[in-house]
Formats: sequence, C-alpha cells, structure tokens
Amino acid sequence: KQEVTQIPAALSVPEGENLVLNCSFTDSAIYNLQWFRQDPGKGLTSLLLIQSSQREQTSGRLNASLDKSSGRSTLYIAASQPGDSATYLCAVQGAQKLVFGQGTRLTINP
Amino acid sequence: DTGVSQDPRHKITKRGQNVTFRCDPISEHNRLYWYRQTLGQGPEFLTYFQNEAQLEKSRLLSDRFSAERPKGSFSTLEIQRTEQGDSAMYLCASSSQAQETQYFGPGTRLLVL
Repeated sequence: KQEVTQIPAALSVPEGENLVLNCSFTDSAIYNLQWFRQDPGKGLTSLLLIQSSQREQTSGRLNASLDKSSGRSTLYIAASQPGDSATYLCAVQGAQKLVFGQGTRLTINP
Repeated sequence: DTGVSQDPRHKITKRGQNVTFRCDPISEHNRLYWYRQTLGQGPEFLTYFQNEAQLEKSRLLSDRFSAERPKGSFSTLEIQRTEQGDSAMYLCASSSQAQETQYFGPGTRLLVL
C-alpha cells in the first residue's frame, strides 16, 4: 500500500527566504507525482506535475524534483512571498488514483 | 472553460438524513474522481469514473455511499443515513487522460450535526 509522508507538517519563514518542502513515498512504482496548493477552506490548485521519467519541473519561482528510486520529491520555493502562504500537498499517482501526503502548512511572514 | 464545479459548496444536515452532491467536470475530460478530505489531512480517494463506467471504489466508500455518472458528464455522490463521521470536504477532480494532471473543484463541505 502506497504511503506518502510530508515533512515538515508546518513551516514559518520570513518573506524573501528560499525554502524546501519534502515528500517521501514508499512504493516507487508511480506514474507521476504532483504538487498542489490548498488555501484554507478551498479546493486544490495543481502547481507542478512530474512524470516518472522526469527528474524535475519548473514553474516560475517553483521547482520540483523527483528521485523515484529513493522515493523522494522536493518542492523548492524561491524568494518566498506572503501570498505563498497555504498548505502544500504532494500526491503520487499509481494506475489512476492519487495518494496524498498530509501536507505542509506554510506561513510566510512579512 | 470554467473548470470543475461542485454544488453545493456547503451543506449542513442532521444525522440520518440523505445528501447528494453534484460535480461538473471540465467538458472534454472523460475521467472523474471523488476524494474526501478531513480537517488537517490530505484528500483520500473514494471512487473513479471513466466516461459513465465506475471503475474503482475505495473501501472508504461504504454501502451508504453511491456515486453515478449517468451520461459520462456530470456526477453525483449520495450519502444515505448520514453520520457525524461523514463530516468532511468532498472534492471532485477530472482529467483528460490517465496519468495526467487532475484538476480539482472547490469542494463541498459537509457538516453532519
């Protein structure tokens, strides 16, 4: 059974800092890995999708890496802003469904 | 395209009542997923449709839960005889192909009193 773990559970940093969120998964037989953002009480917004054959994806200030063999992914956020405050969720996809971690609650302090 | 929509956005009901939620996926997407999210947790998979066929159901989907996608477009999720443990955010997602980005709706927040 696939299990996804995100560390840390919560993170608070000053504005402008670069930061890294971590995600690990137990079964390396995945098709892809997605990073999502969730604002309080809202749905999920897809940030980045990395196919199993890829090592990383970039979108603006976000960079996600994938090491399938070790079961790890990182989300790097450069030059953090208060608007980046949200919960970030990592999810791995097997045949169809997504298996999510519990998320990292990120707070960027002005 | 306006994305995935869900209705209602909020539902308060008394224990024992039946509730039904609706999801309208992105129009060209043939895959539709339901997930449930409780406070402080990541979403958990409930069920999945390809067109009108329900292809996978989680063990979380007890016999009080039923989902349909009658014409391969919108989907409904019904919960019968609601229990307080059913209180959660119910999320719908759609995608155009397997192993591609799933796009999520805003969710329906259910509170069972």
